[in-house]
Amino acid sequence: ILNVEQSPQSLHVQEGDSTNFTCSFPSSNFYALHWYRWETAKSPEALFVMTLNGDEKKKGRISATLNTKEGYSYLYIKGSQPEDSATYLCAFWDAGNNRKLIWGLGTSLAVNP
Amino acid sequence: SAVISQKPSRDICQRGTSLTIQCQVDSQVTMMFWYRQQPGQSLTLIATANQGSEATYESGFVIDKFPISRPNLTFSTLTVSNMSPEDSSIYLCSVQTPTEAFFGQGTRLTVV
Repeated sequence: ILNVEQSPQSLHVQEGDSTNFTCSFPSSNFYALHWYRWETAKSPEALFVMTLNGDEKKKGRISATLNTKEGYSYLYIKGSQPEDSATYLCAFWDAGNNRKLIWGLGTSLAVNP
Repeated sequence: SAVISQKPSRDICQRGTSLTIQCQVDSQVTMMFWYRQQPGQSLTLIATANQGSEATYESGFVIDKFPISRPNLTFSTLTVSNMSPEDSSIYLCSVQTPTEAFFGQGTRLTVV
């Protein structure tokens, strides 16, 4: 059974703090790792898709890294703002027989002003 | 990219009734994915819908409870049948490739 694990499950930080989350995934049959931001009452918003070991992507104050050999990805948020409050989901595309996205449970971030 | 229109956005339904959720994509796609998110849980795949063939259901989901239609390459429906309060969830449709995923706006279902 393929499993994607995210930690922590939830996080409360103060405005201005920097934070990071972890996504662990199977290192075999890797094709791509996705990060999404999901706010209540909206559909998930794509942040990054990474396919190569060592990939680093950045979008404003948010960045992500990828290690396919050990099966993990980090998402970083620098100087958190209240509008960053959301659930951050990672998903692994299995290049084996499954050929679908396998989702983690998400990290719920709350940024207090 | 793909734009997906999903409706209804929310509904409150009586137990024992059925609700059909529709998704319209602005381009032709081979597979559409139906998910639900129950409170406190992540996205759970219900089934994958291919045009011209029966949907493929994940473990724990059956066609009698969640019948799916896929009449063409831009449209799909998911019906939640004989609803109970445990079916209260957000239901999402999606189209995906290895490097992209797009979602409908979601249907927030409450069963009373």
